[in-house]
Amino acid sequence: RKEVEQDPGPFNVPEGATVAFNCTYSNSASQSFFWYRQDCRKEPKLLMSVYSSGNEDGRFTAQLNRASQYISLLIRDSKLSDSATYLCAVNEGKAAGNKLTFGGGTRVLVKP
Amino acid sequence: AAGVIQSPRHLIKEKRETATLKCYPIPRHDTVYWYQQGPGQDPQFLISFYEKMQSDKGSIPDRFSAQQFSDYHSELNMSSLELGDSALYFCASSLGNRGRAWDTQYFGPGTRLTVL
Repeated sequence: RKEVEQDPGPFNVPEGATVAFNCTYSNSASQSFFWYRQDCRKEPKLLMSVYSSGNEDGRFTAQLNRASQYISLLIRDSKLSDSATYLCAVNEGKAAGNKLTFGGGTRVLVKP
Repeated sequence: AAGVIQSPRHLIKEKRETATLKCYPIPRHDTVYWYQQGPGQDPQFLISFYEKMQSDKGSIPDRFSAQQFSDYHSELNMSSLELGDSALYFCASSLGNRGRAWDTQYFGPGTRLTVL
């Protein structure tokens, strides 16, 4: 079993709709969590850090559920430009070298 | 804002050749990470450096080595290249132990390595 898992999708989303997806992690000692967006063959771009209280940035909302060991990303009012692969990333902390372990990515396709 | 710089952006090598990838972190960032992303895969951690010392090592082949220099830039040296080394190689940087966002990593545009 992978340490970090995501539904690969694709999630086909009508423009203007809301889409949400989760990412589960296996290490309960994981310390910080991130969502990155990756367009085809380009670098992961930081979308949001995920805090225990949940956080929102415009149309994007991220939640952390430590008890069930998952993080979620919700996109409201989807735009065509939101089409991308969304990678969740888990950092197990300084003792583990601060490295990020990524999920396999969730592909989102927003259609007119 | 200044971002992570990687060079070269594209590299084509023959089997058994060597390659050197360079990474220049965001100014003031002291920690550098290297990731490898194969076709259809997510990025896999290779190695990281904090204040010029190796801080962690992942699934990096023995044929690869890396270092971080006094100006904090890093180089990934790859020898005896194999076809399976063809991938995107990303460098990321962070503030290390300083600042609230010590754990937030920003990625460079990557080097696309093709081994023929």
